[in-house]
Amino acid sequence: DQQVKQNSPSLSVQEGRISILNCDYTNSMFDYFLWYKKYPAEGPTFLISISSIKDKNEDGRFTVFLNKSAKHLSLHIVPSQPGDSAVYFCAASNFGNEKLTFGTGTRLTIIP
Amino acid sequence: DAGITQSPRHKVTETGTPVTLRCHQTENHRYMYWYRQDPGHGLRLIHYSYGVKDTDKGEVSDGYSVSRSKTEDFLLTLESATSSQTSVYFCATGTGGYGYTFGSGTRLTVV
Repeated sequence: DQQVKQNSPSLSVQEGRISILNCDYTNSMFDYFLWYKKYPAEGPTFLISISSIKDKNEDGRFTVFLNKSAKHLSLHIVPSQPGDSAVYFCAASNFGNEKLTFGTGTRLTIIP
Repeated sequence: DAGITQSPRHKVTETGTPVTLRCHQTENHRYMYWYRQDPGHGLRLIHYSYGVKDTDKGEVSDGYSVSRSKTEDFLLTLESATSSQTSVYFCATGTGGYGYTFGSGTRLTVV
């Protein structure tokens, strides 16, 4: 049972426009959410996170939104740049549990 | 010096042979994890460790075993490799509340 889902396997966005990546979860016990970025032949790297007590967290071009009632989070990248082309994974955990549950990933391609 | 080193980076092995993947960390982190990445499945937890000699199973642990005799080393063993274990394996350290740091991965092909 996939507790964290990314329903779009791929997404293409024009350079300079906004990229929106979506993630849904089913476990209401999750209270911490993260986004990771992965380039080919490298390990995933941490991008941005959000606690369940917030509904938005911003870091430069990256903003994560959390809608707890809908069990949905999204990552906004604006403006999108060619270096943003990568696979993005969302992940979730709950307090006291050190394990992260990851989604299936979305491959983002930025078109110059 | 890299915080997490995985070895080997690439390996091709035959069905039925044992394989051991190594993860070495220099961060003195208590928690370590092994994940596998497969198309359509994302990252799935195989086994994890919360201290020396303390390990537990993840969601896809069948066919795998782990050992952690020192804080810095976490070994993943495929007792008898099968083609379904062809994958990219990632080691990580960290906690759920602060996120993980991943190694660069081991690409394993079982033929």
